[in-house]
Amino acid sequence: EVVLTQSPVTLSLSPGERATLSCRASQSLSTYLAWYQQRPGQAPRLLIYDASKRATGVPARFSGSGSGTDFTLTINSLEPEDFAVYYCQQRFTWPSVTFGGGTKVEIK
Amino acid sequence: EVKLVESGGGLVKPGGSLRLSCAASGFTFTYYSLIWVRQAPGKGLEWVAYISRRSDQVKYAESVKGRFRLSRDDATESVLLQMNSLRVEDTAIYFCARELGGSAAGSDYWGQGTPVTVSS
Repeated sequence: EVVLTQSPVTLSLSPGERATLSCRASQSLSTYLAWYQQRPGQAPRLLIYDASKRATGVPARFSGSGSGTDFTLTINSLEPEDFAVYYCQQRFTWPSVTFGGGTKVEIK
Repeated sequence: EVKLVESGGGLVKPGGSLRLSCAASGFTFTYYSLIWVRQAPGKGLEWVAYISRRSDQVKYAESVKGRFRLSRDDATESVLLQMNSLRVEDTAIYFCARELGGSAAGSDYWGQGTPVTVSS
């Protein structure tokens, strides 16, 4: 089973700052990784797929990068609505997929 | 507007059964595969099951294999998750989501979820 390790577990930042979230895989995934945002009490929302492609309607301040085993989600200039939990999802073994443990971006 | 609406959750005793439904609208149902993902209280996301658009491929997480059964009804544009032999650890919010399909894709629309509590 592919294991995804997200770091940090919690990221404390102020609005306007840049957030850098990491997702490391236990084996190479090529670029088959997606990122999701989940606000409290809401369903997940697809942000990034295929490591770096923004989903429809996702603001340009969200960007994804990486390949192989190391991936990054960057949020430039945090907006109030960006404080949420972010999950990476490996799709190398699609349709069986797995999620990382999540990173909570909280207001400092 | 694409919508996915889950229903059927509730309180059930260990060993019991529940059937969850996910009603889809706003898109051509037969063009898409769908998945179920669950989230235990205060925990992260766990993929549960997948069904292809023609129902010719159905996959399950190891944690539910042999106990859960996923099917789809194209006439009513819904997917059904039959959950048997429920355990306390199956307690979670269950989400259904539409799959864009393939490794280089993602799940682009999600329902709001239905809660399942397994407790004596």
